[in-house]
Amino acid sequence: AQKVTQAQTEISVVEKEDVTLDCVYETRDTTYYLFWYKQPPSGELVFLIRRNSFDEQNEISGRYSWNFQKSTSSFNFTITASQVVDSAVYFCALTSGSARQLTFGSGTQLTVLP
Amino acid sequence: EAGVAQSPRYKIIEKRQSVAFWCNPISGHATLYWYQQILGQGPKLLIQFQNNGVVDDSQLPKDRFSAERLKGVDSTLKIQPAKLEDSAVYLCASSLRSGRVYEQYFGPGTRLTVT
Repeated sequence: AQKVTQAQTEISVVEKEDVTLDCVYETRDTTYYLFWYKQPPSGELVFLIRRNSFDEQNEISGRYSWNFQKSTSSFNFTITASQVVDSAVYFCALTSGSARQLTFGSGTQLTVLP
Repeated sequence: EAGVAQSPRYKIIEKRQSVAFWCNPISGHATLYWYQQILGQGPKLLIQFQNNGVVDDSQLPKDRFSAERLKGVDSTLKIQPAKLEDSAVYLCASSLRSGRVYEQYFGPGTRLTVT
């Protein structure tokens, strides 16, 4: 069985602050993939990143960065210098082993105030 | 490149009525998914198609939900009869192929309210 936990239900920050969204996953498989998706108010899930279990290098893309730590089963997402347009629900997801489906966490609602 | 299209965007029906949703995936994408997203939760997979064959429908309530993918392109999801707990957003997604490495591209969803 696989499980994704996003303990932060809602986060509110002021524009230009940095914010980190937490994601903890559970799987018995050694091969797995982790994802982050953004869901703006329009409702469409937007793919942000995919990492496989064999690549623990952190990744940076513009203001976005991801910290993957197998030792703590975490895949956290940081937005630097947040902007109002970053306001959305962010989902962490996992697929592992023979599982064909993505398992999503419950999401974190991020609100960036001007 | 055009994204995943879904219609209608919103639907309100009474319980015990039937409803159908339509999805047109990204051109060339062999794999199509239907998800149910209840308010405050992450999406849950209902059914996955590879071309016009079903790959996974283990979480589809088959007594009331049905889905088909005609000619391996467009797909429809039907609920008959609807229950109050079916109120949710129904998301369609597609990917180039089936498999963990292929990211899924999502449509805007259909928000269903059952009264």
